[in-house]
Amino acid sequence: AQKITQTQPGMFVQEKEAVTLDCTYDTSDQSYGLFWYKQPSSGEMIFLIYQGSYDEQNATEGRYSLNFQKARKSANLVISASQLGDSAMYFCAMSEDNQGGKLIFGQGTELSVKP
Amino acid sequence: EAGVAQSPRYKIIEKRQSVAFWCNPISGHATLYWYQQILGQGPKLLIQFQNNGVVDDSQLPKDRFSAERLKGVDSTLKIQPAKLEDSAVYLCASSLVGGAGKNIQYFGAGTRLSVL
Repeated sequence: AQKITQTQPGMFVQEKEAVTLDCTYDTSDQSYGLFWYKQPSSGEMIFLIYQGSYDEQNATEGRYSLNFQKARKSANLVISASQLGDSAMYFCAMSEDNQGGKLIFGQGTELSVKP
Repeated sequence: EAGVAQSPRYKIIEKRQSVAFWCNPISGHATLYWYQQILGQGPKLLIQFQNNGVVDDSQLPKDRFSAERLKGVDSTLKIQPAKLEDSAVYLCASSLVGGAGKNIQYFGAGTRLSVL
């Protein structure tokens, strides 16, 4: 069965430093996608980055990059040069290509950026 | 481009009452999702529509929850009767297409339901 694990309930980072949020996943399928979403206190889930299971290069979107290690089934999010506005909940999610696009989410990591 | 619209933002009801939530997806998006997010957890899919047909409702408690998507655009999610454990944020999302690959889901701000 699909499962996403985020082992860090909360993280602190100093402004302008980089931070890594961990995510491991479990699937028996070969074709799947991995997503990261940000959820500020306002409640809306904001899409950050996507990695396909067959993508050979790690995905990058501005200050966000995804460290994809397929053999270890990990998909860590790296945020470079943290900003105060990065303080939020971050969710890792997975979809299996034979499941119609349904997202399975992890428990989330609360990131706090300190000035 | 307008995002996913949801209303109301907040709702407080007593147990055994009924409640309905409304969602308007991004224009042109064929697929619409309803997720339930209990405090401290990640969202969990309740139901997925492709146009006005149901793709997946395997985790929808059908004895009390119902959802429809008339004309393949707006959708409503109803709970009747509500239980205390239904207290959660109900998130609506839409995507251009459904299925495999880079199928980005865009979320609304959610409806926060409190059942007393």
